[in-house]
Amino acid sequence: QKEVEQDPGPLSVPEGAIVSLNCTYSNSAFQYFMWYRQYSRKGPELLMYTYSSGNKEDGRFTAQVDKSSKYISLFIRDSQPSDSATYLCAMRNTGGFKTIFGAGTRLFVKA
Amino acid sequence: GAGVSQSPSNKVTEKGKDVELRCDPISGHTALYWYRQSLGQGLEFLIYFQGNSAPDKSGLPSDRFSAERTGGSVSTLTIQRTQQEDSAVYLCASSLEGWGTDTQYFGPGTRLTVL
Repeated sequence: QKEVEQDPGPLSVPEGAIVSLNCTYSNSAFQYFMWYRQYSRKGPELLMYTYSSGNKEDGRFTAQVDKSSKYISLFIRDSQPSDSATYLCAMRNTGGFKTIFGAGTRLFVKA
Repeated sequence: GAGVSQSPSNKVTEKGKDVELRCDPISGHTALYWYRQSLGQGLEFLIYFQGNSAPDKSGLPSDRFSAERTGGSVSTLTIQRTQQEDSAVYLCASSLEGWGTDTQYFGPGTRLTVL
């Protein structure tokens, strides 16, 4: 079993839809949770991060962490064609250096 | 400022040949990581350098893979006797300190194709 599970998709939605992306994990030591966005032929770029449980909002993006369920989510409101990319969840025990990444979900937002 | 750069951007090689991939991290970043990204597999950790400490090589898949970091800056990932299963995108990242809530900044990757 992988430490982090993420549905690779692809996920196709119409412009303006609310998108929900999710990951589950097995290691309860993870404390720092991140979402990276990766455009085609580019490296991943940090989009949002949260520390421990709770919600964090940044514009159209909301990240949620439920440590009791070992489940993290990224919501995108009013999705745009420019949001079309692969979204990777990532997590880390802040006492260490190693970041574990999900497989990434490919998102297509159709105009 | 300049981000992480990698070269070459694409590399096509024949099975059995050796390849060298280069990474130039962000100036002042003490931590450097190499990852491998295969289709649908996410990012697989390969090796981690932090300052002058011995690198963590726990992710290298075989002894055909090696990496070095000279002068705490530029890093080279070498794959000897390449196999078709080595075909992937090789990503380099750097960060300020390499632990805690440090942000990793990724380069664009080198797309390796082994024929």
